[in-house]
Amino acid sequence: GAVVSQHPSWVICKSGTSVKIECRSLDFQATTMFWYRQFPKQSLMLMATSNEGSKATYEQGVEKDKFLINHASLTLSTLTVTSAHPEDSSFYICSARDWDRGAHEAFFGQGTRLTVV
Amino acid sequence: AQSVAQPEDQVNVAEGNPLTVKCTYSVSGNPYLFWYVQYPNRGLQFLLKYITGDNLVKGSYGFEAEFNKSQTSFHLKKPSALVSDSALYFCAVRETDSWGKLQFGAGTQVVVTP
Repeated sequence: GAVVSQHPSWVICKSGTSVKIECRSLDFQATTMFWYRQFPKQSLMLMATSNEGSKATYEQGVEKDKFLINHASLTLSTLTVTSAHPEDSSFYICSARDWDRGAHEAFFGQGTRLTVV
Repeated sequence: AQSVAQPEDQVNVAEGNPLTVKCTYSVSGNPYLFWYVQYPNRGLQFLLKYITGDNLVKGSYGFEAEFNKSQTSFHLKKPSALVSDSALYFCAVRETDSWGKLQFGAGTQVVVTP
C-alpha cells in the first residue's frame, strides 16, 4: 500500500516553544491530508483537514492559531504546535489517501509523540 | 452524521482460539467500512475494508470481516489468534459521499495469551 512518513517520531520541548511535525506521502501525491490527536488508550480525534494550496479546515474546538497547518506541496503537510504547553502533550498522527489510484483506505504515518515539559 | 461503536474495551483470547472484535456503525447513506490495527507508539496499519460486493472481506494477516447491513455491523474475525495479534484495533466508517473524513470507534484492546 501507499506509504506515509511522519517525522519526528518523538519530540520533547519546553513550554512556550513551537514544534513542527512533518507528514510526507512517499509514493503518491496527496492533495488532502488529515491530522489526528490521540490520548493514551483513546481513539483518534480528527483535528484538521490539510488541503494543498489552501487553508486547512479545522474541527470544532481545535484552535487554528495554536495548531498551524501548512500543506505547501502535494507530498508534504506540516503541523506546528505553537507556544506549546504540557496539556498539548499527546500522540499526533497524520493520514492521507491515494486519490489518484482510487484507493478508499487511508494510510497513516508512524505518529509523533510530543512531550512538553 | 456517522458514528461507530466498539462495545468492548478489551477482548481476551487464548492463542489458537478464534478472535472476534465487534463493530457497529451508523450512517445516513451507504458506508465504507475499515479496520485498522495499532501497536504501541505506532501509527495505524490498514487491515481490510468493505466498499461494495461480497459481504465477507478478507484482509491482511489472516483477518476477515463480515458486513451485515441489517444489523449495521462489521465484526472483525480471525480463526486462530496469535500472541502477536495483541494490539489495539479500530473500526472506522466513511460515508460514500464524504470526501475523506473517517469516524473511528473507541478502539478495542486485544490480548492474546500463550
